[in-house]
Amino acid sequence: GESVGLHLPTLSVQEGDNSIINCAYSNSASDYFIWYKQESGKGPQFIIDIRSNMDKRQGQRVTVLLNKTVKHLSLQIAATQPGDSAVYFCAALRAGNNRKLIWGLGTSLAVNP
Amino acid sequence: DTAVSQTPKYLVTQMGNDKSIKCEQNLGHDTMYWYKQDSKKFLKIMFSYNNKELIINETVPNRFSPKSPDKAHLNLHINSLELGDSAVYFCAIGWGNTIYFGEGSWLTVV
Repeated sequence: GESVGLHLPTLSVQEGDNSIINCAYSNSASDYFIWYKQESGKGPQFIIDIRSNMDKRQGQRVTVLLNKTVKHLSLQIAATQPGDSAVYFCAALRAGNNRKLIWGLGTSLAVNP
Repeated sequence: DTAVSQTPKYLVTQMGNDKSIKCEQNLGHDTMYWYKQDSKKFLKIMFSYNNKELIINETVPNRFSPKSPDKAHLNLHINSLELGDSAVYFCAIGWGNTIYFGEGSWLTVV
């Protein structure tokens, strides 16, 4: 079946360093891949998405890379800040009216001052 | 303004009770969802409604019944609550090629 998984359950970085969070997926039929950030006590917050026919997409301080050959994507956060501390999830989406997210387990990012 | 609002945010109730969680969206989008997040943070879809019509109904006990009185609301009613129902329930809306989540409702069954 379909699955989306993150490589590491926890990641600890120093403030100001770059963070890289990795994710693997199994189903090549997904239309989009999405990264979410979930802070304690809040709902998942959309960060950035990438269409399945793209390799790279950049946002504000974040970059997502998609390697379809090995079914791997990553989220890079530049100059990590304390406010970036959260659980990060990758998800695979089949588009259309029956949008369905295949949701992976999260990586908890801790930013050390 | 929050696009997706849920009430209540916290709910503690006894086993066997019936409870409802309400969800309202103010963006006018057609597709709404209910997701359940367990203690390990795994998020799983429960229901999807498109324009008040049930589209996705995952393997969920029939004690859970979604109700969509109009396009802006998708409420979740749970009968005969069990300990295993304790979780965080998220309402979400489909917009463009992604899904946006509400702030969650923390349900604890004692």
